Formats: sequence, structure tokens, C-alpha cells
Amino acid sequence: GQNIDQPTEMTATEGAIVQINCTYQTSGFNGLFWYQQHAGEAPTFLSYNVLDGLEEKGRFSSFLSRSKGYSYLLLKELQMKDSASYLCASMGDNFNKFYFGSGTKLNVKP
Amino acid sequence: SAVISQKPSRDICQRGTSLTIQCQVDSQVTMMFWYRQQPGQSLTLIATANQGSEATYESGFVIDKFPISRPNLTFSTLTVSNMSPEDSSIYLCSVDGLAGVPDTQYFGPGTRLTVL
Repeated sequence: GQNIDQPTEMTATEGAIVQINCTYQTSGFNGLFWYQQHAGEAPTFLSYNVLDGLEEKGRFSSFLSRSKGYSYLLLKELQMKDSASYLCASMGDNFNKFYFGSGTKLNVKP
Repeated sequence: SAVISQKPSRDICQRGTSLTIQCQVDSQVTMMFWYRQQPGQSLTLIATANQGSEATYESGFVIDKFPISRPNLTFSTLTVSNMSPEDSSIYLCSVDGLAGVPDTQYFGPGTRLTVL
């Protein structure tokens, strides 16, 4: 089966750092993807990991541990516009099939 | 990067009717997908739209309810048939392989459907 877990909601302060965790159990694994989705909009691609370790892209970094079935998205220097839902998705055996978590709603406060 | 558009952006429909949603990409793509996102929920894959052959449906979704067309490498349609209020959702198409990131999916803006 497929199981992707993320916290439902998080709150952080503008300028701070926040880490959004994701654990996954999928039949086969070919990559872990992070998407940002603002209310009423489509998801936009942020980052992906295929190998263990940290991938850094500006204020956003994503980490993967395949042995632990664990990933996190790290957002630095939070801005108000970062308030959104963050979706974790695992790519399974079929390279084209994504399994999405329920998303983490991040609230950034002044 | 490529542009993905969907029509209509939103619609309000009566129970028992059908709605066809269009997805257009401005460059040729191999894979196109249709997802559903119910209020407050994450994305659920409905089917993979295959060019020149029948779509591949996920468990819980059937062709009679969600017929899909993929006449070429830039266009696909999803029809939501015999609608009920439970079909109220956002329907999103996605494509993969754009912008040089292999196997990454990129989403259209979505179609917000309300069934009365």
C-alpha cells in the first residue's frame, strides 16, 4: 500500500526557519517531491530528492533518508508569502505515478 | 517553461449532467495525468491519459464515470459524467518532463467544480 504522512498544520514567525517533515511507505521508491500550493491555486514544484542527503535551492532545502522513509522541507528566512500548503509526494515503482500526502498548511505570522 | 491551461476554470453544474474539462499544453509531452482534489484534501490520481490508447485508471475510478481523451501530445479532456454533489472538487491535469527535470509533474491551474 501507499502511506504518506505529514503534519496537518504548522505556524511560524516571519524571518524564522521551519522544518516540515514527511514520512512515507510506498511499494517501490524512485524519488520524493515537494510542492507548494497557495489557497485556490495549483501546486507548484519546489524540490525533489532521489538520493540521500540535502538538496538546497535558495531559501528552500529538502532532505531525504531512504533507509528511514523520511524527508523534510526546510524553509529559511520565512516570508508572509510562504503561507501555503506544502505537499510531499513519493514516486513509486511506476516512474510516472505520484502518491501525495495530505499536505501541511503553514501559517506565517508577523 | 511550458504553459498548461485548463478550461473551464470553474463551473457550477446540476446533478445528473456531465462536464468536460480541457487541458492544453503549449509543448508536446509524453505523459498527462488527471487528479482530483476534494475540499481540504490532497491530490488523488484519477488516471493517466495515454496518447492514442485508452487511459489507465486508478483503483476506484472507472471509464464510464470519468472518460478521458488524449488525441495528441498537447491536449487531453476529462469528462465527469452523471454528476452528483460528491463530485464537487478541483480537477487538475498535470504533465511530466518539462523544464528539464525528469519525472517531475507540473500542474495546470485546475477546474473548480461545484455540483448542486
